[in-house]
Amino acid sequence: QVQLVESGGGLVKPGGSLRLSCAASGFTFSDYYMSWIRQAPGKGLEWVSYISSSGSTIYYADSVKGRFTISRDNAKNSLYLQMNSLRAEDTAVYYCARDFPPDYWGQGTLVTVSS
Amino acid sequence: DIQMTQSPSSLSASVGDRVTITCRASQGIRNDLGWYQQKPGKAPKRLIYAASSLQSGVPSRFSGSGSGTEFTLTISSLQPEDFATYYCLQHNSYPLTFGPGTKVDIK
Repeated sequence: QVQLVESGGGLVKPGGSLRLSCAASGFTFSDYYMSWIRQAPGKGLEWVSYISSSGSTIYYADSVKGRFTISRDNAKNSLYLQMNSLRAEDTAVYYCARDFPPDYWGQGTLVTVSS
Repeated sequence: DIQMTQSPSSLSASVGDRVTITCRASQGIRNDLGWYQQKPGKAPKRLIYAASSLQSGVPSRFSGSGSGTEFTLTISSLQPEDFATYYCLQHNSYPLTFGPGTKVDIK
């Protein structure tokens, strides 16, 4: 069955960096577009970024453009999100999700940006 | 950006009730809309795609309709496991945008 397992979250100071990973299994990873979606504590869902199956097409939300970088390694069945210049408002649970539009989601990893 | 609104923002209902949630887009999005269910502490689960197609494995009491700017999610007979928050998502254009959510709780 489809499994998506995020990792790499944690506590980081404002201005710091963090790299999230998403390990995929149960499907042919290289066939699917992938996304990162986040949810601030007690708030709604916000789409963050999307990458095509080959990695050739990428989109970002304006709120993260220039600070976050999405990438993938199809040989390792893995999706990544490099997050730089982190701000308090980036505090959220970050989900990776399969396909466009997203169908299956991982359980998420919590990123807390605080001094 | 396309703005998505949902109504109501919350509702209280009883087991067996018919429940309807509405999602409106600020501009036409054809049928590029999905519905997701989220329970506390859990990841969202897709219920409906392409506005009216039922995701595999989702009970048939869930249905979706609409096109253009107005969409509805209907639960024909609310079950105890359906108490959750429901979100719509438009994927017609970037950035993808979610509705603010509708919380369904027990009356």
